[in-house]
Amino acid sequence: GENVGQHPSTLSVQEGDSAVIKCTYSDSASNYFPWYKQELGKRPQLIIDIRSNVGEKKDQRIAVTLNKTAKHFSLHITETQPEDSAVYFCAPSISGGYNKLIFGAGTRLAVHP
Amino acid sequence: GAVVSQHPSRVICKSGTSVKIECRSLDFQATTMFWYRQFPKQSLMLMATSNEGSKATYEQGVEKDKFLINHASLTLSTLTVTSAHPEDSSFYICTGGQGAGDGYTFGSGTRLTVV
Repeated sequence: GENVGQHPSTLSVQEGDSAVIKCTYSDSASNYFPWYKQELGKRPQLIIDIRSNVGEKKDQRIAVTLNKTAKHFSLHITETQPEDSAVYFCAPSISGGYNKLIFGAGTRLAVHP
Repeated sequence: GAVVSQHPSRVICKSGTSVKIECRSLDFQATTMFWYRQFPKQSLMLMATSNEGSKATYEQGVEKDKFLINHASLTLSTLTVTSAHPEDSSFYICTGGQGAGDGYTFGSGTRLTVV
């Protein structure tokens, strides 16, 4: 099965700084790489995803990069804002069917004003 | 996008009783739903895969006789926590969608407290 590693477990930044979270995985068949954001007491929300035929994807202040050879992908948040404070989870998977998501341990991001 | 409705959002029950949690897909046919459990400050741990019209597939270490899953229709999957104990207190959440590659949608979650 898939082994997912995520780090750092906590990340504290000043408002306006950048934040980077890394996710490693073991299953070479994985081809779908999403990042979820979970605020306290709420459901996880998909914020960005990437597929294995793409190396990088950007959506405003959020980007995801993929290194399939090394089996890791990263979430990049630029110009961080206090509302970015949350727990972020990666969940590499295999697309094309109802394949389960195995979540990383999560990264607690705190953005200080 | 896919919408999943989960009820109840919060429930408090006495030790030894059973609690049923429902997840409904509102705008898509949920052939498969996944049930997760999340303890405070921890990740989402997959408990089982719910398949419409067939038995659920449970992850290693999850007691299938304690966590009963029923998926009798394409729009409804239920998780029943039987003979609940305080250690079952957790955040339970379901997810489903059109497939992993399209991004699953989560229900709003159920916070279960067993007293």
